[in-house]
Amino acid sequence: DQQVKQNSPSLSVQEGRISILNCDYTNSMFDYFLWYKKYPAEGPTFLISISSIKDKNEDGRFTVFLNKSAKHLSLHIVPSQPGDSAVYFCAAFSGNDMRFGAGTRLTVKP
Amino acid sequence: DAGVTQSPTHLIKTRGQQVTLRCSPKSGHDTVSWYQQALGQGPQFIFQYYEEEERQRGNFPDRFSGHQFPNYSSELNVNALLLGDSALYLCASSLVGTDHFSGANVLTFGAGSRLTVL
Repeated sequence: DQQVKQNSPSLSVQEGRISILNCDYTNSMFDYFLWYKKYPAEGPTFLISISSIKDKNEDGRFTVFLNKSAKHLSLHIVPSQPGDSAVYFCAAFSGNDMRFGAGTRLTVKP
Repeated sequence: DAGVTQSPTHLIKTRGQQVTLRCSPKSGHDTVSWYQQALGQGPQFIFQYYEEEERQRGNFPDRFSGHQFPNYSSELNVNALLLGDSALYLCASSLVGTDHFSGANVLTFGAGSRLTVL
């Protein structure tokens, strides 16, 4: 069952512009949501998280927004840089259960 | 400070064979989780080990088994391999009892072991 969905397999943006990556979930019991970034031949690395009791968390160029009523979260990267090009996974956590989306490949063009 | 290390990085097996994958957690971590990432999909939780015992298990058959050693390292074993077992197997470590969502204490992943079953 796909409890976490990333419906866009890829996204291409120009350097300096905003990148918006989206994620939908179905289980209202999730406590935390996380974004991981993955470069080729490396494991996913933690990027940013948000608790289900918040609607926004910001860390430098990265901001995650959570809309619980819509069961939707998004990751905003501003400004986008070529080094941000990677696969981004949305993940949701409840108890000891972590579920991942299928990922979105972001390409930032110089 | 070494992160999570996994071996081997790549391996090829044939249907029906058995495979063992190994993982050394990040220094200071005591919990190891294993994930399977099939092509075009996100990581799927297989199981988690803490204090040498399986704490939680995802929706995977008994052909998938594991072990954790006193030094916290772990093995993933898959018996009677199927073509559908071809995937990237990721190991992730963490420290039990800590806030898993505050930067350094989240899951730390290794680069994975890519298994191809022919």
